[in-house]
Amino acid sequence: GIQVEQSPPDLILQEGANSTLRCNFSDSVNNLQWFHQNPWGQLINLFYIPSGTKQNGRLSATTVATERYSLLYISSSQTTDSGVYFCAVDNNRKLIWGLGTSLAVNP
Amino acid sequence: KAGVTQTPRYLIKTRGQQVTLSCSPISGHRSVSWYQQTPGQGLQFLFEYFSETQRNKGNFPGRFSGRQFSNSRSEMNVSTLELGDSALYLCASSLVWTPNSPLHFGNGTRLTVT
Repeated sequence: GIQVEQSPPDLILQEGANSTLRCNFSDSVNNLQWFHQNPWGQLINLFYIPSGTKQNGRLSATTVATERYSLLYISSSQTTDSGVYFCAVDNNRKLIWGLGTSLAVNP
Repeated sequence: KAGVTQTPRYLIKTRGQQVTLSCSPISGHRSVSWYQQTPGQGLQFLFEYFSETQRNKGNFPGRFSGRQFSNSRSEMNVSTLELGDSALYLCASSLVWTPNSPLHFGNGTRLTVT
């Protein structure tokens, strides 16, 4: 089956720093989504991005489907950005998830 | 507009018992999917329902089952609970059953099996 790998597994930032999270996947997929899980367990959809680049405020994402990877950029990080970031690829409506990048932003 | 509602938020059960979890999707959403999240395995797809029919199923034993009602509310049932079933169970709803329909997650039900 499709494998999804995320890196780095853990990341600690000072408030205001920028970061790049990576998601590699092993096969062609219908779609890719990025999610943020806050410390209370709530999963929020950040981007639906099968290919190309999208931006939403301080966050942006780029997926290069032909090379099977996606990047999530966080600029000017804030403490509220803390949590776990997951990428998930759509395999015929079965989402296959990476293990996530755990981000801690310190004030 | 109310979000996805999962009940109960927390459950403690004993090995061998069964449990039923409930998920009410966002009003108008007809697709409901379920996921299990554990520290060791991460997030794993359980099943998805659309218009009261199971459309997809993950690789879980038959002890895990679900259903969807005519009002799109969904329940999942786990019978003969095992310690390894302890997890956060997340439900997501979407408007329709297509890859392009974004998922909206509930806050989850945390199940502890002792």
